[in-house]
Amino acid sequence: KQEVTQIPAALSVPEGENLVLNCSFTDSAIYNLQWFRQDPGKGLTSLLLIQSSQREQTSGRLNASLDKSSGRSTLYIAASQPGDSATYLCAVRSGTYKYIFGTGTRLKVLA
Amino acid sequence: IAGITQAPTSQILAAGRRMTLRCTQDMRHNAMYWYRQDLGLGLRLIHYSNTAGTTGKGEVPDGYSVSRANTDDFPLTLASAVPSQTSVYFCASRPTGTSFDEQFFGPGTRLTVL
Repeated sequence: KQEVTQIPAALSVPEGENLVLNCSFTDSAIYNLQWFRQDPGKGLTSLLLIQSSQREQTSGRLNASLDKSSGRSTLYIAASQPGDSATYLCAVRSGTYKYIFGTGTRLKVLA
Repeated sequence: IAGITQAPTSQILAAGRRMTLRCTQDMRHNAMYWYRQDLGLGLRLIHYSNTAGTTGKGEVPDGYSVSRANTDDFPLTLASAVPSQTSVYFCASRPTGTSFDEQFFGPGTRLTVL
């Protein structure tokens, strides 16, 4: 059974710091992995999608990597800003319809 | 509209009442999903539909039903609400047959069952 873990559950950093969020999964047989951002009381906003054949994806200050063999993905945020404060979720697509979500990392960037 | 809309935004419901949560997308995505999000448990899949006319059960389907009469709409019905169905419900959609198959989410419906 696929399990997705995100550590740490919460993180506070000063503005301007580069940071890494972690996502690990137990079954390497995945179609893709998607990173989301969720602001309090809001829906999920897609940040990056990495297909199983890819190693990384970049969008602006965000870079996501995927290492299927070790069951890990990281989301790198460069030069963090207070506006980056949110909960970050990763989701693994394990089948035609089956998505397994981590419980998220709550990030606070301090001004 | 652009993207996914959900209605209502929030609802307080008496136990035993029937409730339908609405979800509409205008992106012509084939696949649609219903999740519930609970503190400490993350998002869990309730039901899904890979294309209009077909539906399937997810991880926590009991007490819920769905229909998919057309591509755009995917309503979720609670036949007889119970307090354990208090949650935030998210609808999502995804294109199929492409490598750009990311999920898109609606804004959610906050449901309280008393």
